[in-house]
Amino acid sequence: DTAVSQTPKYLVTQMGNDKSIKCEQNLGHDTMYWYKQDSKKFLKIMFSYNNKELIINETVPNRFSPKSPDKAHLNLHINSLELGDSAVYFCASSQDSQGAYNEQFFGPGTRLTVL
Amino acid sequence: KNEVEQSPQNLTAQEGEFITINCSYSVGISALHWLQQHPGGGIVSLFMLSSGKKKHGRLIATINIQEKHSSLHITASHPRDSAVYICSARNYGLSQGNLIFGKGTKLSVKP
Repeated sequence: DTAVSQTPKYLVTQMGNDKSIKCEQNLGHDTMYWYKQDSKKFLKIMFSYNNKELIINETVPNRFSPKSPDKAHLNLHINSLELGDSAVYFCASSQDSQGAYNEQFFGPGTRLTVL
Repeated sequence: KNEVEQSPQNLTAQEGEFITINCSYSVGISALHWLQQHPGGGIVSLFMLSSGKKKHGRLIATINIQEKHSSLHITASHPRDSAVYICSARNYGLSQGNLIFGKGTKLSVKP
């Protein structure tokens, strides 16, 4: 069983479109995260959710919005896609966000290409 | 300057060599993570440590909190160890649970 899964794995779309990436974890974790890895392979956190509550919101454009229908899911919605949004997006989860010792488990990534 | 710095940026080794990758950080942290990103893109957590030393098979991670420095060692390296190794610091402050990433060390082990 896959611990953290993402769909789709690849997403190619035109500028200006709206798209979503889905993430699901079956680990029973309380916190989920979205990360962006740019073309230089640099990872940066975008959002995290703990029990349906946004606890981190880094300075990302408000075209990006995380949506968590339940504890096991954290979807990423992107409106009005721009060329600079092209990247690999990773979802991750951890037991919780407050403890100092929580390992994060990563999904396989979604490669988004905006044309 | 990035709050988490790794060195070297690229590393080529011969199979069997002992490898060390270094990570220095400038923020207060609750834990430090070492991640491995395979050529296919998947990310795996190798270690999470807040003090001392941890060992998994041929991999050893150490951290010196006073010096704000961590090292990842690979003994008897093998071509399958070829990957990007990423250090990340989980910092305290306004964004609890936030991970700050280094830029990664690309390791290539030649047979």
